[in-house]
Amino acid sequence: EPEVTQTPSHQVTQMGQEVILRCVPISNHLYFYWYRQILGQKVEFLVSFYNNEISEKSEIFDDQFSVERPDGSNFTLKIRSTKLEDSAMYFCASRGLRPTGELFFGEGSRLTVL
Amino acid sequence: AQSVTQLGSHVSVSEGALVLLRCNYSSSVPPYLFWYVQYPNQGLQLLLKYTSAATLVKGINGFEAEFKKSETSFHLTKPSAHMSDAAEYFCAVRPSNSGYALNFGKGTSLLVTP
Repeated sequence: EPEVTQTPSHQVTQMGQEVILRCVPISNHLYFYWYRQILGQKVEFLVSFYNNEISEKSEIFDDQFSVERPDGSNFTLKIRSTKLEDSAMYFCASRGLRPTGELFFGEGSRLTVL
Repeated sequence: AQSVTQLGSHVSVSEGALVLLRCNYSSSVPPYLFWYVQYPNQGLQLLLKYTSAATLVKGINGFEAEFKKSETSFHLTKPSAHMSDAAEYFCAVRPSNSGYALNFGKGTSLLVTP
């Protein structure tokens, strides 16, 4: 069964460092998303990406964040200068073309900022 | 903005008992509604979805949910709880006229006792 894969599964970094989280969406999907879940809190939308550009972003997705689809398979989230409050589980998701299609989520990348 | 409210952050049931997890939505346009489950240290897995077809939706693992427009609800039920149902359950909404983000509720943690 096709699945969304994310790397790394866990990353520990120092405050102020740059972090790149990687995702390989399901191959024929066209919509891509990043969500985050701070420990004990709800899953929050960060950004959606379609046709090589950002479709929608939340207030959380400030100038410190960027997304990119550098090739035909990877979808990355970059945090330019990490802060303590960026510590969270980051989920990548993808969706096919059908408007009623559900999002398929990866298993997440846990980011710990020290 | 479209949102969901999950009543009860923790629900405890006995094995074999009825499971009822509550979700109410707020949407200015007909919504698409989803229930996702998150097992410990795993990603989000779709249980079921409502996309304006049948109001009673059956999902995986014996779960079902009923869309009630008059009550703006989409409660998740299962007739008989199993120990393996213990997990975090998230209700989510996406407006039918949007291709983009899901908005998640805060989640309900289901505990199943022997």
